[in-house]
Amino acid sequence: QVTLKESGPALVKPTQTLTLTCTFSGFSLSTSGMRVNWIRQPPGKALEWLARIDWDDDKFYSTSLKTRLTISKDTSKNQVVLTMTNMDPVDTATYYCARVSDSPYVDAFDVWGQGTMVSVST
Amino acid sequence: SYELTQPPSVSVSPGQTASITCSGDKLGDLYASWYQQKPGQSPVLVMYKDTKRPSGIPERFSGSNSGNTATLTISGTQAMDEADYYCQAWDSSTGVFGTGTKVSVL
Repeated sequence: QVTLKESGPALVKPTQTLTLTCTFSGFSLSTSGMRVNWIRQPPGKALEWLARIDWDDDKFYSTSLKTRLTISKDTSKNQVVLTMTNMDPVDTATYYCARVSDSPYVDAFDVWGQGTMVSVST
Repeated sequence: SYELTQPPSVSVSPGQTASITCSGDKLGDLYASWYQQKPGQSPVLVMYKDTKRPSGIPERFSGSNSGNTATLTISGTQAMDEADYYCQAWDSSTGVFGTGTKVSVL
């Protein structure tokens, strides 16, 4: 059974750096075709894709946020970490991690974490 | 950057057909996926590679994608289908979600 779970602070102050961890099980990020993504959703708003890291350590970022984002993986711990610098109240959102694989559901987010709510406030 | 546009809302009577559109430049050249999200829950994949249903998704869900528009169709809509729906595509390895559509079953 594939599962993902996000963890991180519930509250950060403006200008601080947010660090989120996605801990997963049921697959290995060293397996060809596996990818882990970060997606966020502000309250009452649409989903927004943030970043992706692939089994071969390729990394891809949202064009609008790429200067603030860094994604990394620790294959031995089955974890993917996202850092976002210079946090602002508009970054208040639920942050999800989700898997993409080559099989069976090609290029689709087939398993999502439960999400973690992050508020940005003084 | 690439954008996907959806109607904000679609209303449908129980048992009728709901069609949700997703528009983007030459979207038909990409694969579209669709996600269903109910309040307080994580999104669930309901369609991938334009027309393919994941295991466990009812047959009343179907999809198409041509030209600039992808469409998710729910035939014989049930009350349980009331949710937000998002289309999604990959543009040069960058993920893009649609603006989202709230489906109301009235």
